[in-house]
Amino acid sequence: GAGVSQSPSNKVTEKGKDVELRCDPISGHTALYWYRQSLGQGLEFLIYFQGNSAPDKSGLPSDRFSAERTGGSVSTLTIQRTQQEDSAVYLCASSPRTDQPQHFGDGTRLSIL
Amino acid sequence: AQRVTQPEKLLSVFKGAPVELKCNYSYSGSPELFWYVQYSRQRLQLLLRHISRESIKGFTADLNKGETSFHLKKPFAQEEDSAMYYCALCPQWGSARQLTFGSGTQLTVLP
Repeated sequence: GAGVSQSPSNKVTEKGKDVELRCDPISGHTALYWYRQSLGQGLEFLIYFQGNSAPDKSGLPSDRFSAERTGGSVSTLTIQRTQQEDSAVYLCASSPRTDQPQHFGDGTRLSIL
Repeated sequence: AQRVTQPEKLLSVFKGAPVELKCNYSYSGSPELFWYVQYSRQRLQLLLRHISRESIKGFTADLNKGETSFHLKKPFAQEEDSAMYYCALCPQWGSARQLTFGSGTQLTVLP
């Protein structure tokens, strides 16, 4: 019974580079969420996918951030032209339905040098 | 826009003492409230949600709409309760999406 899986667990990259973060939700979960947790802060909602509906991108902080969810399963969060303020832990969560609690992954710790 | 405030970043209590972790929110509608917990080296997990009205691991939380609070309480703290606790709000009652989280309270239960 695997939970939400995220990769890589840690990513260090230089400012200006693009990065891709991957999330593999629990099988059968139709809802998938991305959050960002900066140092000393709570989790900040980024984007939400529900089935085949258009994603809710209202939390994305800039147009450098984008996300896809292919085949209703795996999701990739892409950050283009990374900045130092992008350094954070990026958490993915999934749930069977939107009224059900979210199950979180371990996160990807992103560090921008 | 909704906001969740957890005024205490750190809270220490002795084993067996009562513990209350404060959570206040601002939202004009009828939100759904949650408490999530993250134990050391573990992932974030749901502790309880208002709609369920359950007591999990001895913890309870009552939604006070007048004070816009959802404080987490336990009458007798245990060492294994030491963890990071996050209060979260969903703007739609009965839903669990688009959570807004507080900044968290690190609880330490001393022996």
